Amino acid sequence: EVQLVESGGVVVQPGGSLRLSCAASGFTFGDYAMHWVRQAPGKGLEWISLINWDGTSTYYADSVKGRFTVSRDNSKNSLFLQMNSLRAEDTALYYCGKDFVGAVAGYGMGVWGQGTTVTVSS
Amino acid sequence: QTVVTQEPSFSVSPGGTVTLTCGLNSGSVSSGYYTSWYQQTPGQAPRTLIYHTNTRSSGVPDRFSGSILGNTAALTISGAEADDESYYYCALYLGRVWVFGGGTKLTVL
Repeated sequence: EVQLVESGGVVVQPGGSLRLSCAASGFTFGDYAMHWVRQAPGKGLEWISLINWDGTSTYYADSVKGRFTVSRDNSKNSLFLQMNSLRAEDTALYYCGKDFVGAVAGYGMGVWGQGTTVTVSS
Repeated sequence: QTVVTQEPSFSVSPGGTVTLTCGLNSGSVSSGYYTSWYQQTPGQAPRTLIYHTNTRSSGVPDRFSGSILGNTAALTISGAEADDESYYYCALYLGRVWVFGGGTKLTVL
């Protein structure tokens, strides 16, 4: 069974940093691109980042570009999101998602984790 | 700024058919935008219904179908069931980035 488990969400002060993790199992992690998507409380979904199968290509939404960095460790079946210069508007439930393919090719998110909550507040 | 538009809400009778749309403020949605559709009930993670405009994800019943209708992408739900009452989000691929619509709250009554 394909499974994605996010972790690392906590309460952090504005301007702080945080690293989220997504542990993957049930599939060959290194064969697939991966996404991060977030959902602010009571709001809709917002795509924020994409990394291809080997980590050589990364893409970001304008709202996080320059502050967030996505990476992966295929040897550990893990996806990461380094979040710096956090703002109140980054408060959200963060989901990782498995793409249908390894390249960046417009297939989108096929399987989702359950999410981890990040709260940015003083 | 690219804005993906969806109806805020829609209702359908049990057994009925409903078509939700996904548009683009800057023009028409074509198959080249590789529209995806996601279903989310409150408190749950999203579930992928459709990708690449009209391909059903694994395990999704054929009551759900995706298409291009005029200048928008569309999700059609046939034979609506009570469990279909959810939020539905579309997402468009804009070349290495994705943009979600604001979502449609579907009520089955």
